[in-house]
Amino acid sequence: GAVVSQHPSWVICKSGTSVKIECRSLDFQATTMFWYRQFPKQSLMLMATSNEGSKATYEQGVEKDKFLINHASLTLSTLTVTSAHPEDSSFYICSASRVRNSPLHFGNGTRLTVT
Amino acid sequence: GEDVEQSLFLSVREGDSSVINCTYTDSSSTYLYWYKQEPGAGLQLLTYIFSNMDMKQDQRLTVLLNKKDKHLSLRIADTQTGDSAIYFCAESIDSRGGNKLTFGTGTQLKVEL
Repeated sequence: GAVVSQHPSWVICKSGTSVKIECRSLDFQATTMFWYRQFPKQSLMLMATSNEGSKATYEQGVEKDKFLINHASLTLSTLTVTSAHPEDSSFYICSASRVRNSPLHFGNGTRLTVT
Repeated sequence: GEDVEQSLFLSVREGDSSVINCTYTDSSSTYLYWYKQEPGAGLQLLTYIFSNMDMKQDQRLTVLLNKKDKHLSLRIADTQTGDSAIYFCAESIDSRGGNKLTFGTGTQLKVEL
């Protein structure tokens, strides 16, 4: 089956620093990847749609200058949390599908803690 | 608008069947999914159903879809302690950017001995 790998699994950083999270599709090419955010005991909220070779599409209320998305190849999308603050602490999960409108497969997520 | 709701908590005894329910509002959903999330982990795709189907069975899992009532359920037969997790239903709406998922609130399933 499709495998999506996310790295790192967890990261602790100081307030004001930037953190990069990688999402890779290991056995398929993904022109579109999705980034979600999950707060404790809550559901997943879509942050943005990452499009290979073009700009990401951000959901309402998500700051594009704070959450930088780069989809440089068909197997890699990165999310950079810039100038992180404690309120950015959350579980970030990426997903991808082989083809449009096929089931999404998720990475194992990255737990970000900003101190 | 998109709104997907689930009951928050379900407790069953080992060996019993579990039924997790989900309601959604967008009638243009193409696929409906069930994902499982264990503590600290990502989401595992359990099963999915195309919107023109009524039922899908996959080993211990049975998905029922009532499109008229916009109601989706997941039945787990012979529930085991390893089934304890949070279960999310999600609806897929085809958009220009691909299949955008809206998740339900999640149901925490607790399996007791």
